[in-house]
Amino acid sequence: NAGVTQTPKFQVLKTGQSMTLQCAQDMNHEYMSWYRQDPGMGLRLIHYSVGAGITDQGEVPNGYNVSRSTTEDFPLRLLSAAPSQTSVYFCASSSLDRYYEQYFGPGTRLTVT
Amino acid sequence: RKEVEQDPGPFNVPEGATVAFNCTYSNSASQSFFWYRQDCRKEPKLLMSVYSSGNEDGRFTAQLNRASQYISLLIRDSKLSDSATYLCVVNGYGGSQGNLIFGKGTKLSVKP
Repeated sequence: NAGVTQTPKFQVLKTGQSMTLQCAQDMNHEYMSWYRQDPGMGLRLIHYSVGAGITDQGEVPNGYNVSRSTTEDFPLRLLSAAPSQTSVYFCASSSLDRYYEQYFGPGTRLTVT
Repeated sequence: RKEVEQDPGPFNVPEGATVAFNCTYSNSASQSFFWYRQDCRKEPKLLMSVYSSGNEDGRFTAQLNRASQYISLLIRDSKLSDSATYLCVVNGYGGSQGNLIFGKGTKLSVKP
């Protein structure tokens, strides 16, 4: 049981490049989400999904796209990377009836130069 | 006013000390409250839920005061392994109760 996995662990991008952060969970959780964590800012919700085929925006969605074609996977796409997107990105999942017990992946540390 | 506010610390305490963290939240309609723990450069993990009646889990006690919109976490007999950042969390953002709002965290350092 791997829980929530994220790849890559580290990434450096140049401004304007695009990339996809991968997230997968093997707990059959309905709810999945992406957060970013910046120094002094705390965790902020980017996008979330309550099931396959359903996604919605969180607090800071601009510059990011998501899709949820399967229960297990919830990739986050950066469309055109900007230095302001330098951050640590966490994916999380939970069951809908225990939504508060969110399991986080180990994070992706992204630097945009 | 930020939705969830915490004292960032750091709180530097000796082993065996009792330490308390406070948190305030701005949305009076918030229904659910939690404390998460985050170790340095690691992912957050649920520590405990916070109930109106207060709840205890071993050395940890959480309290909620809805009238004051205030949440607290008390750690008794601090251990070195308690060193971490403690995140106050409230639910209720947007269209799903799973959308959690995190405070910026309070850093605790327990010294020998």
